Amino acid sequence: DAKTTQPPSMDCAEGRAANLPCNHSTISGNEYVYWYRQIHSQGPQYIIHGLKNNETNEMASLIITEDRKSSTLILPHATLRDTAVYYCIVRGGSARQLTFGSGTQLTVLP
Amino acid sequence: KAGVTQTPRYLIKTRGQQVTLSCSPISGHRSVSWYQQTPGQGLQFLFEYFSETQRNKGNFPGRFSGRQFSNSRSEMNVSTLELGDSALYLCASSPGLATYNEQFFGPGTRLTVL
Repeated sequence: DAKTTQPPSMDCAEGRAANLPCNHSTISGNEYVYWYRQIHSQGPQYIIHGLKNNETNEMASLIITEDRKSSTLILPHATLRDTAVYYCIVRGGSARQLTFGSGTQLTVLP
Repeated sequence: KAGVTQTPRYLIKTRGQQVTLSCSPISGHRSVSWYQQTPGQGLQFLFEYFSETQRNKGNFPGRFSGRQFSNSRSEMNVSTLELGDSALYLCASSPGLATYNEQFFGPGTRLTVL
C-alpha cells in the first residue's frame, strides 16, 4: 500500500466545514483512497472512498487532486459528534487489507 | 440491517490462558477480517476469512488463529495469552473479499490480560 501522511490533529468550529488533508504521493494507478473514522473506543466507521473523481455521499465529500498525490475529506457542517480520529488509507492492487496509519484527531469545538 | 456484532464486549483473562472471540457479520456479507488495536501499535490486521477459508494473514504469531463457519460467522482464538495481548479486537465484514469492498466494523472486544 502507498503510505499516507496526515496532520496529527485539527480543530474545527461547530457548524463550519472541516477539511482534512491527506498526502499520498506514492499512490499507484489502481489504488483507491479510503477514509474511515473512529470515535473513541468504537470500531472504525467507513466514510467514503474514491479513485480519481471527486465523490460525495451523505456523510462527506472527497476531493482528489488531478495528480492523485493528495486528497481532502470535507465534512460540510461539522457537529460535536464528528469529533473522532480520521484515517486516510490508500489501498488496491495486490493490497488485501486496510493498513491504518496514525490518522488525524479532529476536535469539533462548540 | 443489523450491524456487525462481537461477543463478548469485555473479557479479562490471565497470562497463559486462551480466549475465543466471536464475530457475526452483517447479513449477506461473506468476508470477515480481524484487527488488533493497541495504543502503541495502532490498528493492525490479523487475518481475513472468506467462504470459510483464510485468504490473507497479517504479521502475528501462530498463537493467533481463526476460523469461519458456513454461515459466515467467525471466531478468533488466542492461546497462551501474554500481557501484550491486551487490546481492542475488532472484526469487520464486507460483502465480498475485503480487497474490493469497504469494510464495516463491529464495536470490538476489549481483552485485558492480567
